[in-house]
Amino acid sequence: DIQMTQSPSSLSASVGARVTISCRASQGIRNDLGWYQQKPGKAPKRLIYAASTLQSGVPSRFSGSGSGTEYTLTISSLQSEDFATYYCLQHNSYPYTFGQGTKLEIK
Amino acid sequence: QVQLVESGGGVVQPGRSLRLSCAASGFTFSSYDMHWVRQAPGKGLEWVAVMSYDGINKYYADSVKGRFTISRDNSKYTLYLQMNSLRPEDTAIYYCAKESHSNPNYYYDMDVWGQGTTVTVSS
Repeated sequence: DIQMTQSPSSLSASVGARVTISCRASQGIRNDLGWYQQKPGKAPKRLIYAASTLQSGVPSRFSGSGSGTEYTLTISSLQSEDFATYYCLQHNSYPYTFGQGTKLEIK
Repeated sequence: QVQLVESGGGVVQPGRSLRLSCAASGFTFSSYDMHWVRQAPGKGLEWVAVMSYDGINKYYADSVKGRFTISRDNSKYTLYLQMNSLRPEDTAIYYCAKESHSNPNYYYDMDVWGQGTTVTVSS
């Protein structure tokens, strides 16, 4: 099984800050990686797919990058509505696996 | 619009069974692989199972293999999860999710999720 190691597990930042969340796969996953945002009491929402493609309707301050085993989600200028928990997902092989999540909180 | 609506959750005793349903609308259900994902209280997301668009192929997480069965009825646009021998650690919100592409030769992520149904396993 492919293990996804996501860091950090929590992050405190201010509105307007730039933040980066990382996911490392235990083996190469050929950009088969998505990023999701989840707010309390809500279902996950897809932000990025294929490692770097922005989901339609998602603000351009979100971006994804990476290759091989290392992937990154960047929020260029945090807005108040961005405070949430973020997950990466590898879909290169079954079982699909999620990162442990990053809880982004307001400083 | 594309929509997934889960139902069937509830409180059940350890060792008992429960069947979840996921009603789909707004897309050609029979063209897409469908997934179940769960989230225990205060925890992260855990992928549970997938069924191929035609109902032939299915895969499970080790944590549920042999106890849970995924199935679908394409004529009813409905996905199911039969959960047997339930354990307290199965307590979670269960989401169904649609795979993002209909290409049967590749694995894709999930683009649409339901609102979830809550399962509580407790005596």
